[in-house]
This record gives sequence, structure tokens and C-alpha cells, in this order.
Amino acid sequence: EAGVTQFPSHSVIEKGQTVTLRCDPISGHDNLYWYRRVMGKEIKFLLHFVKESKQDESGMPNNRFLAERTGGTYSTLKVQPAELEDSGVYFCASSRVTGGGSYNEQFFGPGTRLTVL
Amino acid sequence: EDKVVQSPLSLVVHEGDTVTLNCSYEVTNFRSLLWYKQEKKAPTFLFMLTSSGIEKKSGRLSSILDKKELFSILNITATQTGDSAIYLCAVEASSGRYSNYQLIWGAGTKLIIKP
Repeated sequence: EAGVTQFPSHSVIEKGQTVTLRCDPISGHDNLYWYRRVMGKEIKFLLHFVKESKQDESGMPNNRFLAERTGGTYSTLKVQPAELEDSGVYFCASSRVTGGGSYNEQFFGPGTRLTVL
Repeated sequence: EDKVVQSPLSLVVHEGDTVTLNCSYEVTNFRSLLWYKQEKKAPTFLFMLTSSGIEKKSGRLSSILDKKELFSILNITATQTGDSAIYLCAVEASSGRYSNYQLIWGAGTKLIIKP
């Protein structure tokens, strides 16, 4: 079974530019999560999709961040315009949906390291 | 504000030693506590703890939760160089606003095992 994949593995852009990160979850996983780890600090939740719907986007830092999951398969996270403080590692994770709200293990992708100069 | 604090931030020991990693939390609407191991890139799941006092074991790793004192420990016995990694603690808690459960992460403990 293929794991969660993310593209690119590393992106270096200048302040003010736009970057789009992509996440391909494990096939059949309806839950998709985006997380961010900035400057060696703890991983922070960004948002949660169930299929194509945004279930919770309370962790999105501001309106420069836009996440989409058209068709309920892969997801993109666009940062426009990028700022210096956006540098960090962006993780994507996916899990199955089960009834009763029980926890299902989240499988993480390798992350995309974003460097904004 | 919900928070998860891990200690120590880093630890260097020799092969064969036993280590104990700590995770304390202040979280409303607690649901479970999870331990992850991060080696090169992606965190991988180790344990999920929901009840106090029940030890979870997997080989040389074990973990226990104390919901009264709001902490968990992760023990690794007879450490090996392959245990070198960042160990992350996360608490699954309701986000409140959307009645969904988020993971709130600690900063991690970087464990280095010397041969």
C-alpha cells in the first residue's frame, strides 16, 4: 500500500511569491489533514478535510493560505503571497473515517520543507 | 490555551541504557494521548493511550498515562542506535468550535543513542 506522498520535498521561494504544496493521501482515506512545523517548534494543526469538505480550518494562520481538495482525492495548499514567517515543514496526514468519531491512526507524509527568503 | 509540553528537549545516552521521556498536557476536552516516532521525515505512530494506569507495550517500548496528574511517559529499555529519533507526543482534543478532534503536539524530544 502506497503511503502519503507530498510534493515538492523542498521549495525555496522569495517573499511575495506564490507556492502550492500538494498532498496525495493513501487511497481510500477520506480524512486529510495539514500540519505545519515552524522553526523547530511544535507541529501545529492547520485544517482537516473529510473528502472534499473542509471539516475544520481553525488552524489556518491567515487568508494568505488556501487549501483545496477538489474531488476528495489529493489536496493542495497554496500560500499567496508568501512571507518569511511561513518557512517551515508542512506535513500532510490521512486516515480512514469510522463511525462514532473514534480515532484512526493518521499516516503522515514526508513533509514539504518551505523556505521563504 | 491548550498545550503539550515534552521533556527533556534532547537526550544523549549509550546503547543499552533505559530512557524515560515525559509529556505533560493542559488540554480541555481531552480524548487520547498519542506517541509518535519521527526518524527521517514522517512521524510514525507508536501508541494511543486513553485510560489511566494501563501500560501499553511494544517490544522494548512502553507507555503509560496518568489522567489525574495530566502526563504520560514513554520508556525505552535496552536502547539501540536505531532508537535515535525525535519522539513526539500529541493529545487528541476537541477543537470545540467544530466538535472535531485535533491533534495538539508537543515540541518533541530528540533522542540520540551512542554506540
